[in-house]
Amino acid sequence: EVQLVESGAVLVQPGGSLRLSCTGSGFVFNTHEMGWVRQTPGKGLEWISFVSSTGTTTHYAASVKGRFSISRDNAQNSLFLQMNSLRADDTAVYFCASWYYGSHTRGLFDYWGQGALVTVSS
Amino acid sequence: EVVLTQSPATLSLSPGERATLSCRASQSVGIYLGWYQQKPGQAPRLLIYDASNRAPGIPARFSGSGSGTDFTLTISSLEPEDFAVYFCQQRSIWPPLTFGGGTNVEIK
Repeated sequence: EVQLVESGAVLVQPGGSLRLSCTGSGFVFNTHEMGWVRQTPGKGLEWISFVSSTGTTTHYAASVKGRFSISRDNAQNSLFLQMNSLRADDTAVYFCASWYYGSHTRGLFDYWGQGALVTVSS
Repeated sequence: EVVLTQSPATLSLSPGERATLSCRASQSVGIYLGWYQQKPGQAPRLLIYDASNRAPGIPARFSGSGSGTDFTLTISSLEPEDFAVYFCQQRSIWPPLTFGGGTNVEIK
């Protein structure tokens, strides 16, 4: 069974930094392209970042570009999101999600983690 | 960026009724649109891919249609477990991948 498990809920101050992690199991990690999607009550679901199966290609939403950085360690079956210069409007539940790199539905997320609540507040 | 607009925001129906949800794209996305279901406290689950194809394990009462800019998700007869929020997402023109704002299907 495919499982993605994010690190736990976190409270961080505005302007602070945080690294989220997501660990995969039940599948060959380096065959999945992965991303982060966040959810707030006001804005619904928002895709924020993508990384290719090898880690060589990354993409970001405009709202986080220059502040967030996505990476992966295939040897450790892990995905990361380094979040810097955090703001109150980054408060959200952050999901890691993936699809098989050879999937004919590339771009739609087949697998999701349970989500990690990130609260940015003083 | 492709903007997806879902309507209605809320749909109040009874079990056994038919639900019709709409997703409109700001530009053509061909057939490259998917639908997800999300229940409280859970991650989204992929229901429909490429406008009209059910994902593995999805019941036949869920169907999708449309192409270009107008898409529909239909639930033919609502079961109690179908009351949830539904999102559309396009994969035609990215980055960025974009989602609609969601439709909450609630019990009347």
